[in-house]
Amino acid sequence: GAVVSQHPSRVICKSGTSVKIECRSLDFQATTMFWYRQFPKQSLMLMATSNEGSKATYEQGVEKDKFLINHASLTLSTLTVTSAHPEDSSFYICSARQGFVRPLTFGSGTRLTVV
Amino acid sequence: AQKVTQAQTEISVVEKEDVTLDCVYETRDTTYYLFWYKQPPSGELVFLIRRNSFDEQNEISGRYSWNFQKSTSSFNFTITASQVVDSAVYFCALFNQAGTALIFGKGTTLSVSS
Repeated sequence: GAVVSQHPSRVICKSGTSVKIECRSLDFQATTMFWYRQFPKQSLMLMATSNEGSKATYEQGVEKDKFLINHASLTLSTLTVTSAHPEDSSFYICSARQGFVRPLTFGSGTRLTVV
Repeated sequence: AQKVTQAQTEISVVEKEDVTLDCVYETRDTTYYLFWYKQPPSGELVFLIRRNSFDEQNEISGRYSWNFQKSTSSFNFTITASQVVDSAVYFCALFNQAGTALIFGKGTTLSVSS
């Protein structure tokens, strides 16, 4: 149980376009989902926390207009990178929480390359 | 403030060696959770262990063992008789009672050669 599916796993897009990444909890309802970003050989940095039905909470320094997060249902959260630039190229990974004491379950990540 | 420090950036060992990955954390909360995750080259995060702040029992799972010491704010991870498949980045992480999100250390890259 507790499987999180993230799609796509890899995406290459042109500069200036937008890319949507989906994060689905397959066998549980996730009231809270988290989006992380990881640059090569670096740690995971929390970008934002999304709660179902409400606006996401962004970490300091993360542009909310650039990284649009939607958590419309208990099983789906999306991250849209708008007007992507090469510096947005990174590994994005989502996680979902089922209750408080269970370990966070992570998606398999999305490697975004902006050319 | 909360912080997780993994001082070892990279460790290289030869198969069958034992290796310990260090993790030191900082938090003002009395209730918190500590985690270890493994990130193989494919990128996904694999959950290894969760330990709450009230449970200082050491744990052993196969070749893996964890030593949690609140007195030194450490949660170290030991792999016994390492194997090539253990090569990965290992992250220690902290989750506080407020339940915001996991705070990750910078990770330790373990390379096991045959």
